[in-house]
Amino acid sequence: SQQGEEDPQALSIQEGENATMNCSYKTSINNLQWYRQNSGRGLVHLILIRSNEREKHSGRLRVTLDTSKKSSSLLITASRAADTASYFCATESINAGGTSYGKLTFGQGTILTVHP
Amino acid sequence: NAGVTQTPKFQVLKTGQSMTLQCAQDMNHEYMSWYRQDPGMGLRLIHYSVGAGITDQGEVPNGYNVSRSTTEDFPLRLLSAAPSQTSVYFCATRWGTDMFMGYTFGSGTRLTVV
Repeated sequence: SQQGEEDPQALSIQEGENATMNCSYKTSINNLQWYRQNSGRGLVHLILIRSNEREKHSGRLRVTLDTSKKSSSLLITASRAADTASYFCATESINAGGTSYGKLTFGQGTILTVHP
Repeated sequence: NAGVTQTPKFQVLKTGQSMTLQCAQDMNHEYMSWYRQDPGMGLRLIHYSVGAGITDQGEVPNGYNVSRSTTEDFPLRLLSAAPSQTSVYFCATRWGTDMFMGYTFGSGTRLTVV
């Protein structure tokens, strides 16, 4: 079963606009990560936010995490045509031993299209 | 430094055939894993390894075997291919510490079983 549910499934915007994608998950997590996948390519790690963090920035990316609602959002500001890709959230959950090593669970992804 | 290298990039199998998907990394990462990606399903974990000689099952392990004899290599074996195993397969390594970490993915193997 998929841990994460992403919303929207597809997003189409104009260059220069901001893009916001949301992710929800079901279990307690150690961290949440966002990845980008260009068509036909592998996944590229964008940013990680730990369970005790609420917001994180990296360049034009801003990630928020609300553990009480089990949700996260990824904001891409001033989007570019090169940002066109699929974006996935992924979580590392905590096991009975209190560690998270080994299991990354993905959402179904948001397809972002940025028109020049 | 090639990162994570997957071979082959494309493969067509007949039902019942067996094959091995190769994954090699030159980053000395202890953790390696295999995922499959199906349309509309995101990525699902098949098997993973936290070091040489240690492997464990993920979410969808049936029909697949793995072994980890070296740090560098983590092959995925399909014992008797079925059409349901048609998918794109990704190998990934985990890098960093608990304070700053992420996963590096290979470029994938697109497998079709007919």
